[in-house]
Amino acid sequence: DAGITQSPRHKVTETGTPVTLRCHQTENHRYMYWYRQDPGHGLRLIHYSYGVKDTDKGEVSDGYSVSRSKTEDFLLTLESATSSQTSVYFCAITGPTGAGYTFGSGTRLTVV
Amino acid sequence: GENVEQHPSTLSVQEGDSAVIKCTYSDSASNYFPWYKQELGKGPQLIIDIRSNVGEKKDQRIAVTLNKTAKHFSLHITETQPEDSAVYFCAASMGAISGTYKYIFGTGTRLKVLA
Repeated sequence: DAGITQSPRHKVTETGTPVTLRCHQTENHRYMYWYRQDPGHGLRLIHYSYGVKDTDKGEVSDGYSVSRSKTEDFLLTLESATSSQTSVYFCAITGPTGAGYTFGSGTRLTVV
Repeated sequence: GENVEQHPSTLSVQEGDSAVIKCTYSDSASNYFPWYKQELGKGPQLIIDIRSNVGEKKDQRIAVTLNKTAKHFSLHITETQPEDSAVYFCAASMGAISGTYKYIFGTGTRLKVLA
């Protein structure tokens, strides 16, 4: 989607290795989110940010950390990847009214 | 916390027919209800939304209705077309809580429009 990009689009990694996913926005939005999407579970919130260096946990945050050193970048790190973290990861942004997320195109992560 | 249930999980309709997807939410403090369409290999895209002070909203072939008393809201697609085939997600939000807007999503409905 215009204004928000995720990288990489696909990644295969081994169990126990650290992995970092990147979300980059050009909209200068304050709020950024990381969700994971799994069959039967819909989209579940991992972590979110409400400003530079301001982050908090979502409902499935165990095993994940985030950082936001600049408005435009929100990084998601899997500290030691496990097979249960195989998923599609989506980043989202929203403007000051909170009305309507704009999602990135997603990162498909496979942990083998 | 908030919980959102979505039904059905799959829905097949003939082209030209209507499709209805229903969601229920648990927290009466929720006040914003968006619907997203997700095509294969893409991120979800907002298609319509409704706030709690409105009972119905329409945008061409798409409409959303909200019943606050029963805590449910529905997506209606009329005159369905093959390009409506996708996965649809509902969500509920309580607006700005602790400085952010967190959405709770339903589990999705796979809609197939048969030509």
